[in-house]
Amino acid sequence: EAQVTQNPRYLITVTGKKLTVTCSQNMNHEYMSWYRQDPGLGLRQIYYSMNVEVTDKGDVPEGYKVSRKEKRNFPLILESPSPNQTSLYFCASIHSTGRINTGELFFGEGSRLTVL
Amino acid sequence: DAKTTQPPSMDCAEGRAANLPCNHSTISGNEYVYWYRQIHSQGPQYIIHGLKNNETNEMASLIITEDRKSSTLILPHATLRDTAVYYCIVPKNMDTGRRALTFGSGTRLQVQP
Repeated sequence: EAQVTQNPRYLITVTGKKLTVTCSQNMNHEYMSWYRQDPGLGLRQIYYSMNVEVTDKGDVPEGYKVSRKEKRNFPLILESPSPNQTSLYFCASIHSTGRINTGELFFGEGSRLTVL
Repeated sequence: DAKTTQPPSMDCAEGRAANLPCNHSTISGNEYVYWYRQIHSQGPQYIIHGLKNNETNEMASLIITEDRKSSTLILPHATLRDTAVYYCIVPKNMDTGRRALTFGSGTRLQVQP
């Protein structure tokens, strides 16, 4: 089954304790992206990657890092989490070759992060 | 993204067609209209998209007016599982590769038994 898998799905942590949210897709997609969703603000793009070793900032990249060492994985790293990073996080992917104008993203099920 | 306007909420009886409107009066000639939905706090799910012609797939139909200033998503036979927030999106700059979709407030569709 084609899917985007995120882990953990739920996490409560404390300020300053480094954490990583993993994202893996089994569809051989080139493009992957991270969003965060907050009440009243909709979904906002954090980082995106157009292929292995190619990453770039989205709208709200501060406080986050990403890496793309393999095509299937795109982890989101919070080096020193703060309470304002409490949010619902979504990873998304799409097969981009020859379909540069499409917005048919596949989203993961979400990771709810609470930073105390 | 081009600004879209959707009603905040709608009700629909189970088994009836759900017609969800979207206004996008500032849309440009080469911009597509996309529809997604989000069930509770799950990941958004792509439904359908179109440019100027009406489109239909296994999930829904999309009717775009001739002037492209508005569109309607039609769920032909709504079920309780269609209860969700529906987002109408007109993304800009999709050719840059960034593919950042702006999800606004959407329409909360409640399908009633």
